[in-house]
Amino acid sequence: EVQLVESGGGLVQPGGSLRLSCAASGFTFDDYAMHWVRQAPGKGLEWVSGISWNSGSIGSADSVKGRFTISRDNSKNSLYLQINSLRPEDTAFYYCAKGSGTGPYGSGTYYSRFDLWGRGTLVTVSS
Amino acid sequence: EIVLTQSPGTLSLSPGERASLSCRASQTISSTYLAWYQQKPGQAPRLVIYGASSRATGIPDRFSGSGSGTDFTLTISRLEPEDFAVYYCQQYGSSPLTFGGGTKVEIK
Repeated sequence: EVQLVESGGGLVQPGGSLRLSCAASGFTFDDYAMHWVRQAPGKGLEWVSGISWNSGSIGSADSVKGRFTISRDNSKNSLYLQINSLRPEDTAFYYCAKGSGTGPYGSGTYYSRFDLWGRGTLVTVSS
Repeated sequence: EIVLTQSPGTLSLSPGERASLSCRASQTISSTYLAWYQQKPGQAPRLVIYGASSRATGIPDRFSGSGSGTDFTLTISRLEPEDFAVYYCQQYGSSPLTFGGGTKVEIK
């Protein structure tokens, strides 16, 4: 079955850290860019970070630069998000998403639409 | 950063009616890099339209997309009960990738 399964969310204090994971199955993981997208409860979608198939192209939203780090391990069909210096405004569902299509700079970048999503993992930042 | 503004915020319609959702960009986007997503309560988003006008796999033909430059539209020709949801547009031609704020299509 083609799916993405996130894990690693939870309750963390401000200033704390978490590592989110996304396990992919049912498709050739290292053929595709991958992304993290978040959604605060009752709010809209916000792209967090994306990574190309070979980790050679990485991008992040300004709101998380310097605090969040995306990575992948193609041998394990897994995507990760290391999140540090957490703030209350980081409270959200974090979705893993598979990239599809080619962006304006070719197939070796993270620019893509998202054609497969996981169910999300909730990160709550509160004291 | 390209800001996407969706309107209206909420659209109240009856099953069988036509829905037109707008997405306006703060800068010109190549239509190749404009997508639409549907999200139902408690679920992850689902890709509906990509390249401004191409339907994603499994999306019924009552969904159509159009537009170019800075103005894009998602049209649902005849609303079915399962179409009531929130719809987001997204651009992926420029970093950071951005989403619009969403349009909720609710049952009138």
